[in-house]
Amino acid sequence: GAVVSQHPSRVICKSGTSVKIECRSLDFQATTMFWYRQFPKKSLMLMATSNEGSKATYEQGVEKDKFLINHASLTLSTLTVTSAHPEDSSFYICSAKTGTGTGAEAFFGQGTRLTVV
Amino acid sequence: GQQLNQSPQSMFIQEGEDVSMNCTSSSIFNTWLWYKQEPGEGPVLLIALYKAGELTSNGRLTAQFGITRKDSFLNISASIPSDVGIYFCAANFGNEKLTFGTGTRLTIIP
Repeated sequence: GAVVSQHPSRVICKSGTSVKIECRSLDFQATTMFWYRQFPKKSLMLMATSNEGSKATYEQGVEKDKFLINHASLTLSTLTVTSAHPEDSSFYICSAKTGTGTGAEAFFGQGTRLTVV
Repeated sequence: GQQLNQSPQSMFIQEGEDVSMNCTSSSIFNTWLWYKQEPGEGPVLLIALYKAGELTSNGRLTAQFGITRKDSFLNISASIPSDVGIYFCAANFGNEKLTFGTGTRLTIIP
């Protein structure tokens, strides 16, 4: 299957600082990438849809000024957690689709464990 | 947001046994996907289904897209220790967003 690489895999930061997480599609171009948040023992919660060359679409309840998304190229999307607080600690996962519509499969990155202290 | 009803929530089985889990929804979907997630990792795609009634296998895994388009099941035959993990169903209808199931945690008793 297609490969999606997420970096870093783990990060610890101090409260008030910002953290950037990268999501790259390594062997395909992805016009659309997705960012999820996952709490312990829970399912994936979609935060936003990242579209190359345009603004991200955020799900209801997700603060766009808090979670900045940039999709500057067909192979890279970034999520920046601004002014991080301990409650932002979570597992963040990105995914990318290999195409559009039916038949386009979503592949996931390996996730980023964010701990805010 | 919307979630798919996935059952069972957890399973404790002995090595060599078969496993069956399913997802149901009140809405119609035109794509069903099954993923496996191991601790500290992202989900890995196991099987993708695109047509109602479709039955697809991937090694010891078999999944079916329900004829009503509102459900799907995943079977694992002759389980082995490396099958341990959380299995998620996911589905969508035409648009880009995937809706996820609540997950089935599989534990294998030696």
